[in-house]
Amino acid sequence: AQRVTQPEKLLSVFKGAPVELKCNYSYSGSPELFWYVQYSRQRLQLLLRHISRESIKGFTADLNKGETSFHLKKPFAQEEDSAMYYCALNSGSARQLTFGSGTQLTVLP
Amino acid sequence: ETGVTQSPTHLIKTRGQQVTLRCSSQSGHNTVSWYQQALGQGPQFIFQYYREEENGRGNFPPRFSGLQFPNYSSELNVNALELDDSALYLCASSLAGTHRSYEQYFGPGTRLTVT
Repeated sequence: AQRVTQPEKLLSVFKGAPVELKCNYSYSGSPELFWYVQYSRQRLQLLLRHISRESIKGFTADLNKGETSFHLKKPFAQEEDSAMYYCALNSGSARQLTFGSGTQLTVLP
Repeated sequence: ETGVTQSPTHLIKTRGQQVTLRCSSQSGHNTVSWYQQALGQGPQFIFQYYREEENGRGNFPPRFSGLQFPNYSSELNVNALELDDSALYLCASSLAGTHRSYEQYFGPGTRLTVT
């Protein structure tokens, strides 16, 4: 069965500091991984997808199949990055998403 | 472009009752997925509907059922409500059969409280 683990419920960093949100997964097939973000009082939205290998709002994430990880990184955090971040694994023909429990990121001034 | 909408915003039900939640998909989207999000947890997949047929189901009992209508809107029905059904219910729509079929657009959710 597929599983997504986000070990940190809360993460605080200072503005301008690097940030890394950890995500590990368990899946027997070829994984398709995503990061979703929820800003305060907004709905859940897609941040990035591992296949696209693009940088969104300065965030990047690399899929490491050996370590079964998909950590989200940003070299210089901004206050507007404060939000809840969810790592998600796409599985099955229905493209059902398996979410981690989320990490609440707070960027301090 | 109209985003995903859900109704009602919140409601309170008593254990044993039945509830129907509604979702209107984003304009042009043909697939709807439902998720349950308990407090402090990530969303958990309930089921997905495509072309009015169930197209995948998570680990939820049969008392969770759904419908999709020709206009691609959808309903989630829960019978014999239990206290543990208290959660935020999210609806997400997507467009199957395109290069962006992976992208799910979420609604604001319906907060269900079972007492």
